[in-house]
Amino acid sequence: EAGVAQSPRYKIIEKRQSVAFWCNPISGHATLYWYQQILGQGPKLLIQFQNNGVVDDSQLPKDRFSAERLKGVDSTLKIQPAKLEDSAVYLCASSLEDGDEQYFGPGTRLTVT
Amino acid sequence: GESVGLHLPTLSVQEGDNSIINCAYSNSASDYFIWYKQESGKGPQFIIDIRSNMDKRQGQRVTVLLNKTVKHLSLQIAATQPGDSAVYFCAVLRGTSYGKLTFGQGTILTVHP
Repeated sequence: EAGVAQSPRYKIIEKRQSVAFWCNPISGHATLYWYQQILGQGPKLLIQFQNNGVVDDSQLPKDRFSAERLKGVDSTLKIQPAKLEDSAVYLCASSLEDGDEQYFGPGTRLTVT
Repeated sequence: GESVGLHLPTLSVQEGDNSIINCAYSNSASDYFIWYKQESGKGPQFIIDIRSNMDKRQGQRVTVLLNKTVKHLSLQIAATQPGDSAVYFCAVLRGTSYGKLTFGQGTILTVHP
């Protein structure tokens, strides 16, 4: 079974630029999560989707971050404009349904200079 | 809110030794506890979980102990192998939605051959 796919794996941008990350969850998984993992810390949930609807985006900095999952399958996370403190690994995870075990992708390492 | 902390940020052991990784949590209403392993360049991987109505659970070479009185969680790895070298996170959940998972800071386990 294919795992959660993410791209790109690495991205370096200058502050105030824009960036987008892509995630393709495990086939059939209804729930998709985006996490931010700052170096040396555990992942922090940014947003949770159930199919194409947002379940929880309470920790998403909405002035600069946006995410969508229009067809209820793959998802994109965008940062515009980026700040230095956005440097982190952005992890995508999926689960069959909310409450089921989460499977994580390899992440995208973002460096903002 | 929930906060999760670890007693030691790093742990070095010899191959074949037993490893113990500790975790403290703050919310006594937490229902569900999970240990994750994260290898370099990869997303977190589920190791073992335990519910609040249990105090011990065993898996293959791993045991999780839960002490609700002192709000402490530990992961024991028997006969530690070099492949066990990784960062280990505990995560706690209140309720059933994985979206409310709170991760701790992580312990770096290094196994020397």
